[in-house]
Amino acid sequence: GAGVSQTPSNKVTEKGKYVELRCDPISGHTALYWYRQSLGQGPEFLIYFQGTGAADDSGLPNDRFFAVRPEGSVSTLKIQRTERGDSAVYLCASSSSLGGNTEAFFGQGTRLTVV
Amino acid sequence: AQSVAQPEDQVNVAEGNPLTVKCTYSVSGNPYLFWYVQYPNRGLQFLLKYITGDNLVKGSYGFEAEFNKSQTSFHLKKPSALVSDSALYFCAVKNDAGKSTFGDGTTLTVKP
Repeated sequence: GAGVSQTPSNKVTEKGKYVELRCDPISGHTALYWYRQSLGQGPEFLIYFQGTGAADDSGLPNDRFFAVRPEGSVSTLKIQRTERGDSAVYLCASSSSLGGNTEAFFGQGTRLTVV
Repeated sequence: AQSVAQPEDQVNVAEGNPLTVKCTYSVSGNPYLFWYVQYPNRGLQFLLKYITGDNLVKGSYGFEAEFNKSQTSFHLKKPSALVSDSALYFCAVKNDAGKSTFGDGTTLTVKP
């Protein structure tokens, strides 16, 4: 596609439920990143992939969070037993490579609200 | 650990005046520095980056940024601000492994 696509754009879920957030990166981009952005703060790193493998998942806050990228393109961020503190905008970005010198292209985010 | 500081939550300037949005960073190894802009209800957009070479980097929409290694700074600048430049600006540092850390953002308001 022309840009990074994230679905859904908004998700409201009840505390304790399971959610999946999807990211479709720019075609051909091998690196994919997930961030979480809370109000008044910058994007907080969660995990990034090079191809199918997670290169660094040190930002995932706990074992309720998991992300996959099985075919090296689309990625899904999965959150189990959601908590109200998980409410935030989840951002996905992709870049042509993982190298430090490449800029990221961001999707518009998924706004997750846990009630 | 790497970090980015944007000391000003808000910057206000009059249209036509020069603007500066400040950023300082900390990183191990080579610093790769970026500025992104976020307009209301839109995703973050890349503005410019410093990788190596000339300390003054030029980017989109007339913006530029100056890399200062001794002060570990990467301030965003524009000689003449436009009302349409009003947005939220983020500075980011990336390490050799590809991990990015963002500042908390600075809201720029340009008044007519």
